[in-house]
Amino acid sequence: DTGVSQDPRHKITKRGQNVTFRCDPISEHNRLYWYRQTLGQGPEFLTYFQNEAQLEKSRLLSDRFSAERPKGSFSTLEIQRTEQGDSAMYLCASSSPLQGQYPREQYFGPGTRLTVT
Amino acid sequence: AQSVTQLGSHVSVSEGALVLLRCNYSSSVPPYLFWYVQYPNQGLQLLLKYTTGATLVKGINGFEAEFKKSETSFHLTKPSAHMSDAAEYFCAVSGHFGNEKLTFGTGTRLTIIP
Repeated sequence: DTGVSQDPRHKITKRGQNVTFRCDPISEHNRLYWYRQTLGQGPEFLTYFQNEAQLEKSRLLSDRFSAERPKGSFSTLEIQRTEQGDSAMYLCASSSPLQGQYPREQYFGPGTRLTVT
Repeated sequence: AQSVTQLGSHVSVSEGALVLLRCNYSSSVPPYLFWYVQYPNQGLQLLLKYTTGATLVKGINGFEAEFKKSETSFHLTKPSAHMSDAAEYFCAVSGHFGNEKLTFGTGTRLTIIP
């Protein structure tokens, strides 16, 4: 069990550029979540997957954001035409169907810090 | 809609003193409540969670929290603060079966004074 990993850890981009982040959940975790954390705030839910199906998207996820989990393993989060307001920490978490008691614990990765200049 | 409110964005305590971090919740259904800790440049780690049953919940690193329905509170405590407890703490509430997304509070930064 190597934990949830995210890549890259830091990304600096210019306004208007596209960026893509990757999340590798813990092996055999079927649920994968994306959250966004801005400075001085708690994480905010963006979207989540069960296996390859995207089951819910927050209203925070504008049309410029898209997330995929094509084979039910790793996931990518793409932001098109980045804006300065997109600067934040993007956190990924996963949970296992084998955890006994509901609600299942979400295991968080270290996050990708995005800075849009 | 569910929400949590954390009172006090910054809390400072002396090493060895009691730690008390406050969290109040709002929920139309019996809530599932969590406390997470975040160390600098790291992800969140679960300290403890309340689902049903015993209202006093014990977690890792000597932390515990008590669910008080009458006060809609879920405050986090630790009898004796250690320097390693310095971090950001988040209270969170989750939905029920089929809707496990977490709604977090704004966080409390805990500073330990030597």
